[in-house]
Amino acid sequence: SQTIHQWPATLVQPVGSPLSLECTVEGTSNPNLYWYRQAAGRGLQLLFYSVGIGQISSEVPQNLSASRPQDRQFILSSKKLLLSDSGFYLCAWSAKGLAGINEQFFGPGTRLTVL
Amino acid sequence: DAKTTQPTSMDCAEGRAANLPCNHSTISGNEYVYWYRQIHSQGPQYIIHGLKNNETNEMASLIITEDRKSSTLILPHATLRDTAVYYCIVRVGGGSNYKLTFGKGTLLTVNP
Repeated sequence: SQTIHQWPATLVQPVGSPLSLECTVEGTSNPNLYWYRQAAGRGLQLLFYSVGIGQISSEVPQNLSASRPQDRQFILSSKKLLLSDSGFYLCAWSAKGLAGINEQFFGPGTRLTVL
Repeated sequence: DAKTTQPTSMDCAEGRAANLPCNHSTISGNEYVYWYRQIHSQGPQYIIHGLKNNETNEMASLIITEDRKSSTLILPHATLRDTAVYYCIVRVGGGSNYKLTFGKGTLLTVNP
């Protein structure tokens, strides 16, 4: 069966510090990978998605970047965090299917607080 | 992708059926209706999806109107653990469109 891992679960960082959040998927190959953010009291916002190694699409201009160094690894980074980067970060994966239904499976999330 | 409209919140008594409506009047012929839910402080969980026909699985039933402009998610016997935000999403399946656009959803509160 497939599982998705995210770490850390919680993180408190000062403004201006760097960020690295990691997501890994097990039990599947060549998945689509996604990073979402949920700010307090707001809906889920898609930040990045990737259809393969080294292929990253950005949905919104922001202070963050994403990388996919391996097939089942997705990393979210920032060189200098802003207060507005606080939120609940969720990684998700979906399989590439002929019917393209693309049900997405979400990880447990990382709660980031920038002070 | 077509826009959806859901009530902000709903209440349901434990053990009763929860019927969550969703309007998607601008849906096009190749767009599917998806339902996800998010329990507090967890990632969203897929529930069910459909195109034209009604669908049922172990979690819920999805009723789509004949004109496909609205749908209803039915939890047949709601439990306290079904308290969550429920998202109705309409999007094209397949091709290069991999994205899910989450709105604000409906907060369902199941009361004892």
